[in-house]
Amino acid sequence: QVQLVQSGAEVKKPGASVKVYCKASGYSFTSHDINWVRQAPGQGLEWMGWMNPNRGNTGYAQKFQGRVTITRNTSISTAYMELSSLRSDDTAVYYCARDYFDILTGYFMFDYWGQGTLVTVSS
Amino acid sequence: DIQMTQSPSSLSASVGDRVTITCRASQSITSCLNWFQQKPGKAPKLLIYAASRLQSGVPSRFSGSGSGRDFTLTISSLQPEDFATYYCQQSYSTPVYSFGQGTKLEIK
Repeated sequence: QVQLVQSGAEVKKPGASVKVYCKASGYSFTSHDINWVRQAPGQGLEWMGWMNPNRGNTGYAQKFQGRVTITRNTSISTAYMELSSLRSDDTAVYYCARDYFDILTGYFMFDYWGQGTLVTVSS
Repeated sequence: DIQMTQSPSSLSASVGDRVTITCRASQSITSCLNWFQQKPGKAPKLLIYAASRLQSGVPSRFSGSGSGRDFTLTISSLQPEDFATYYCQQSYSTPVYSFGQGTKLEIK
């Protein structure tokens, strides 16, 4: 069965960086894009960026350009999201999600999600 | 960027009620609209994709409709487990995505 398992909670100081991993299993890791979405406490879902694990190309929401980097290690089917220059308002749960393309309908959807990783930024 | 606006932001309803949540896109997104359900402390769960297609395993009391800019999610008869927050998401500008701000469905 498809699973995305994320790394554990992190506590960071302002100005530091955090790197969260997302380990995929149950499918071909290089066949589907991985996206990262975050959710601040009590707030909605915010899309951060995507990566094609096969080619390694990426794209980021304008809000995070220059601060976020998504990478992967295909040998262990793992995607990484690194966020730098952390601020208190980066405190959030960070999710990875698989982007699935339904060939029959021609539509994309986030069909599997990781369990989420809480990143707390505090001095 | 495509902006997604949901209404209402919150909604109180009773078990057995029929409930409708609306999502509007800032431009036409054809039928590239997904709906998610999220319960506290859990990851979002895909309910509906391509505006009206039910994801496998999702109860048939959930349905979606719309195209262009305006979309609705309907729950035909609310069950206790349906009280959650619902989000729409556009996939028109893939691989760039955006979500609505969410609709919290609470028990009356």
